Amino acid sequence: QVRLQESGPGLVKPSETLSLTCTVSGGSMRSYYWSWIRQPPGKGLEWIGYIYYSGSTNYNPSLKSRVTISVDTSKNQFSLKLSSVTAADTAVYYCAAGMFYLTNFDYWGQGTLVTVSS
Amino acid sequence: EIVLTQSPATLSLSPGERATLSCRASQSVSSYLAWYQQKPGQAPRLLIYDASNRATGIPARFSGSGSGTDFTLTISSLEPEDFAVYYCQQRSNSPFTFGPGTKVDIK
Repeated sequence: QVRLQESGPGLVKPSETLSLTCTVSGGSMRSYYWSWIRQPPGKGLEWIGYIYYSGSTNYNPSLKSRVTISVDTSKNQFSLKLSSVTAADTAVYYCAAGMFYLTNFDYWGQGTLVTVSS
Repeated sequence: EIVLTQSPATLSLSPGERATLSCRASQSVSSYLAWYQQKPGQAPRLLIYDASNRATGIPARFSGSGSGTDFTLTISSLEPEDFAVYYCQQRSNSPFTFGPGTKVDIK
């Protein structure tokens, strides 16, 4: 059973960079594609992007210019950086694991709320 | 980008009743469609993958069908714990997209 846990600041100022880390346990980093997904309060789900253990990435074009996802297999972690944030980036951010290059999301973290506000 | 639409937006039913939820894709996704359940304050949970396959540990009252552009999630007899929001998601093309959700609430 793969377990994921998000961590990072819950408050980010406008124009700054949002940074989150997901720590993985119970599974091999080589077995899954590691995604970030977000959900604004009261709204639906948006896939941000994923990374494979090799470092290969796939980003949603709607956010690609602002997103960087990285992986540290030695720490069983992967990370999200979202630059130049605005209030529209306020959301619960989930990390998730999927088995395929074209993927579902088999396992999810509990999510962490990030608020963009001065 | 493939757009998914779900209907109805809200479904009001009683425990024991049958729930039928629909998801339509803007273009064919073959059978690459999944369904998730989300309860308040929780992460989504994978129920069905590739249109009709139940994920590990999912009760048999949940079933999925469809292919191409039209898909259905059926809950044969609603249990109290099934009242939640349900999302569909396609993995046919990147970016992977979700539908807006159907809320199943208690009548």
